[in-house]
Amino acid sequence: EIVLTQSPGTLSLSQGERATLSCRASESVSSSYFAWYQQKPGQPPRLLIYGASSRATGIPDRFSGSGSGTDFTLTISGLEPEDFAVYYCQQYGPSPSYTFGQGTKLEIK
Amino acid sequence: QVQLQESGPGLVKPSQTLTLTCTVSGGSIDSGGYYWSWIRQHPGKGLEWIGHFYYSGSTYYSPSLKSRVTISVDTSKNQFSLRLNSVTAADTAVYYCARAYWEYWYFDLWGRGTLLTVSS
Repeated sequence: EIVLTQSPGTLSLSQGERATLSCRASESVSSSYFAWYQQKPGQPPRLLIYGASSRATGIPDRFSGSGSGTDFTLTISGLEPEDFAVYYCQQYGPSPSYTFGQGTKLEIK
Repeated sequence: QVQLQESGPGLVKPSQTLTLTCTVSGGSIDSGGYYWSWIRQHPGKGLEWIGHFYYSGSTYYSPSLKSRVTISVDTSKNQFSLRLNSVTAADTAVYYCARAYWEYWYFDLWGRGTLLTVSS
């Protein structure tokens, strides 16, 4: 099973700053099958990025994704109050199977 | 638009069998192009994929839960269900049903989730 490790575990930033979240896979994954989600308390995850770099419908352009192979990044440029949440990466691999990272909590500094 | 709604008992006793149902509204399970999954989230923890199916009958499960899980579908009711045998406290979690688009394998639609507690 492919393990996804997210860093940092918690990121403390101020509104307006740039956030950079990392996700590293234990082995190479297909960029086409890599996604990022945002989750707020009491809500299900919301799809932000799919195919490693494509924004989902309705997602503001301050959210961007990049990476390939084993290293992927979610960048949020210019944090808004509603962006403080937990973020998860996800990959789909053979078997078939999905795995998620353990999450990065983005909190207000 | 398409919506998913989970339903379940809320509380089950250890060693019992859990059954949860996901009702799909605003669209059809057998319209093709989507796989339908169950995913769970332990309290304060990350997400764990349980299994998925395609309307044509293909079903796949997480290796870690495969021995205890069954996913079934009732297309006449536009519902699919999760059955988990021999539950323990470790199965206490919020259970989500979700839809994955086959080409990129991302979850674009989620239910609101239902909390299942395993306790005597």
